Amino acid sequence: EVQLVESGGGLVQPGGSLRLSCVASGFTLSGHSMHWVRQAPGKGLEFVLGIGSNGDTYYGNSVKGRFTISRDTFKNTLYLQMGSLRAEDMAVYYCAREDNSFDSWGQGALVTVSS
Amino acid sequence: QAGLTQPPSVSKGLRQTATLTCTGNSNNIGDQGAAWLQQHQGHPPKLLSYRHNNRPSGISERFSASRSGNTASLTITGLQPEDEADYYCSAWDSSLRAWVFGGGTKLTVL
Repeated sequence: EVQLVESGGGLVQPGGSLRLSCVASGFTLSGHSMHWVRQAPGKGLEFVLGIGSNGDTYYGNSVKGRFTISRDTFKNTLYLQMGSLRAEDMAVYYCAREDNSFDSWGQGALVTVSS
Repeated sequence: QAGLTQPPSVSKGLRQTATLTCTGNSNNIGDQGAAWLQQHQGHPPKLLSYRHNNRPSGISERFSASRSGNTASLTITGLQPEDEADYYCSAWDSSLRAWVFGGGTKLTVL
């Protein structure tokens, strides 16, 4: 069974940094494109970052230069390193597997940006 | 980042048919087609269909998708109370080299 479990969310001050993790089970993470999608409170879905099975990375406009995506093939884990956080980055962050679009999603990690 | 356009809300009666639309351009829907996701309050999204009208295993035949030019549609027949949810379209944009989403349509089943 495919499972994605995010962790690392929490409260961070504006300008701060945070790293989210997404542990995958039931499949080999490096064999798929993987993505981070976020959802601000009461808002729609927004593409944040993606990494292809070949290592290519894809960026949403709002996070270029501030967020990076990486993966650890041994730990079968996807990461989202977030920096220079702003109030508008506050959201639930989902990791999602791409297999004919976003076929599997984690439960999400809440990131709150506030002083 | 240019997104896809969806109507904010649609209301239909029980057992009726609802058609949700999603408009993009030739770089996204017109090129690769669209996927549709359903999201119930407090839950992650669930994939309903991808690339025109392919349904993942376990998705009811009541959900069918189509595309005409740069517009994708999701038709839900025989509406049930559990169909009340937010519906999002998404597509790969070959110009932006990024995924784009619609703003979502809230479907109310009366």
